[in-house]
Amino acid sequence: GDSVTQMEGPVTLSEEAFLTINCTYTATGYPSLFWYVQYPGEGLQLLLKATKADDKGSNKGFEATYRKETTSFHLEKGSVQVSDSAVYFCAPGGSNYKLTFGKGTLLTVNP
Amino acid sequence: ETGVTQTPRHLVMGMTNKKSLKCEQHLGHNAMYWYKQSAKKPLELMFVYNFKEQTENNSVPSRFSPECPNSSHLFLHLHTLQPEDSALYLCASSQENVFATNEKLFFGSGTQLSVL
Repeated sequence: GDSVTQMEGPVTLSEEAFLTINCTYTATGYPSLFWYVQYPGEGLQLLLKATKADDKGSNKGFEATYRKETTSFHLEKGSVQVSDSAVYFCAPGGSNYKLTFGKGTLLTVNP
Repeated sequence: ETGVTQTPRHLVMGMTNKKSLKCEQHLGHNAMYWYKQSAKKPLELMFVYNFKEQTENNSVPSRFSPECPNSSHLFLHLHTLQPEDSALYLCASSQENVFATNEKLFFGSGTQLSVL
């Protein structure tokens, strides 16, 4: 079945550092790809998505590019802020694919 | 505020208790979901309801009993739970069944359940 592998956390960075959280997936066909974020004490919310190969999703300074050849959807941000501290989930899904969430990667950004 | 409200936020119960979790969405969505979030494990889909009909039961033990009286409300009835059922239970909704579309899920803040 479909699966997703996320970078193991926790990840601790200083403010303004560059962030990469790796995500690779296995799926038959070409699912849509999503990143969800969970801030402390809250449920998950969609951060960004890409629906086809080479699409780039972006939101709040975060970006991820749908790489079909490497089955990857790595999350990046050029300069993280303390308010970005949260758990990040990669999830392939949509269009007849069940959303399959990764284990999540805890990001802590220190001032 | 995502438009999905879950109550209670925290619940402590004994293994012989019966309790219910409630979820309400004010978004006019037609699909609702229960997820279980345990430490160090991937988010687990439990149940899916589409237009009040259950369309997915992900091999969930019968001690968890969902109820969807209308498209805006979803309950999870709990009885004779085990300590390993302690987790954050998240409710979500979407306009249509997200497994057939590219739509996003809207999550509530969850109920943190502790089973003693």
